Amino acid sequence: DIQMTQSPSTLSASVGDRVTITCRASQSISSWLAWYQQKPGKAPKLLIYKASSLQSGVPSRFSASGSGTEFTLTISSLQPDDFATYHCQQYDSYPWTFGQGTKVEIK
Amino acid sequence: EVQLLESGGGLVQPGGSLRLSCAASGFTFSSYAMSWVRQAPGKGLEWVSAISSNGGSTYYADSVKGRFTISRGNSKNTLFLQMNSLRAEDTALYYCARLVTTTVTKTNLDYWGQGNLVTVSS
Repeated sequence: DIQMTQSPSTLSASVGDRVTITCRASQSISSWLAWYQQKPGKAPKLLIYKASSLQSGVPSRFSASGSGTEFTLTISSLQPDDFATYHCQQYDSYPWTFGQGTKVEIK
Repeated sequence: EVQLLESGGGLVQPGGSLRLSCAASGFTFSSYAMSWVRQAPGKGLEWVSAISSNGGSTYYADSVKGRFTISRGNSKNTLFLQMNSLRAEDTALYYCARLVTTTVTKTNLDYWGQGNLVTVSS
């Protein structure tokens, strides 16, 4: 199985900060990676697919890059609505696997 | 508007069975592959199973293979997850989610339901 490792596990930041989350795959997954945002008690919401494509309706302050084994999600200017947990997920091969999640907290 | 509504969860004893349903609306259900993803309390997301749009292809996580069966009723716009031989470690919020294509390979999830809680305990 492909292992997905996110860092950091928790991130404390302030409104307006630039925030970067990293996701590493244990083997190459090309660009078959998605990022999801999840708020407490809510379902995950798709932000990014195919490593860098912004899902329709997602604010442009979210961006992502990477291919192969290393990927990043960047929030250019953190907004109050962005405090949440972010998950990466590979869909290169089954079984699909998720990172352990990165919780973005208010500093 | 795409809507996915899970039902059928609850409290079950170890070794018991449950059947989850996911009622889909707002899109042509028969044109999309579907999946189940679960989240144990306070834990991360774990993919469980996926099924192609016509039901001809299915995939399972090793942790549920042989115990869970995914199926769909395209005439009733409903996705199912039959769960047998349940274990304490199956306790989780189970989400139904839509894939963006008809097939189950190289395709991501886009819409998710709100989840349905399954608790396995004596």
